Amino acid sequence: GIQVEQSPPDLILQEGANSTLRCNFSDSVNNLQWFHQNPWGQLINLFYIPSGTKQNGRLSATTVATERYSLLYISSSQTTDSGVYFCAVEGNNAGNMLTFGGGTRLMVKP
Amino acid sequence: GAGVSQSPSNKVTEKGKDVELRCDPISGHTALYWYRQSLGQGLEFLIYFQGNSAPDKSGLPSDRFSAERTGGSVSTLTIQRTQQEDSAVYLCASSLVLRNTEAFFGQGTRLTVV
Repeated sequence: GIQVEQSPPDLILQEGANSTLRCNFSDSVNNLQWFHQNPWGQLINLFYIPSGTKQNGRLSATTVATERYSLLYISSSQTTDSGVYFCAVEGNNAGNMLTFGGGTRLMVKP
Repeated sequence: GAGVSQSPSNKVTEKGKDVELRCDPISGHTALYWYRQSLGQGLEFLIYFQGNSAPDKSGLPSDRFSAERTGGSVSTLTIQRTQQEDSAVYLCASSLVLRNTEAFFGQGTRLTVV
């Protein structure tokens, strides 16, 4: 099946700092989503981004499908950004479901 | 409904008992997915439904696990003779159609087997 790797696995930031989270995948995809899992375990949809660039407030994401990676940018981080960020992909040849990466655990300190 | 709804939110059961977990997808969504997340881990895919049909059951961890979906809407995940290793958060998601569309997750059911 398709492999999804996220980096870094853990990240500690001071409030106000910027960061870049990376997601690499091993095969072509037709769906890629970024989620934020809050401390209560809820998965919040951030971006549906199989290709291209999108922005939503302080967050933006870019997927370069031909090079098999996606980036999530967090600017001016806030303590409420803390949690785990997951990248999930639906491979063209890997079944009808999202395959998740291992996540990046982010802690933003005040 | 407005979002994916799962019940119960929490379930504590004794080893060996059967449990049923329920998922109510977003109205009109034809595809439904079950995932499992063990403590501090990523999400493990279990099964998906297109309408009422589940063509691929290979993600279910053992034959103690089964799932059904009736009327193209509500789904139940049943775990028979629960074991301690079944303790996890079980997450359900739905999407408008099976492929190339955004999936939305419920809040999960936290299952603890004691």
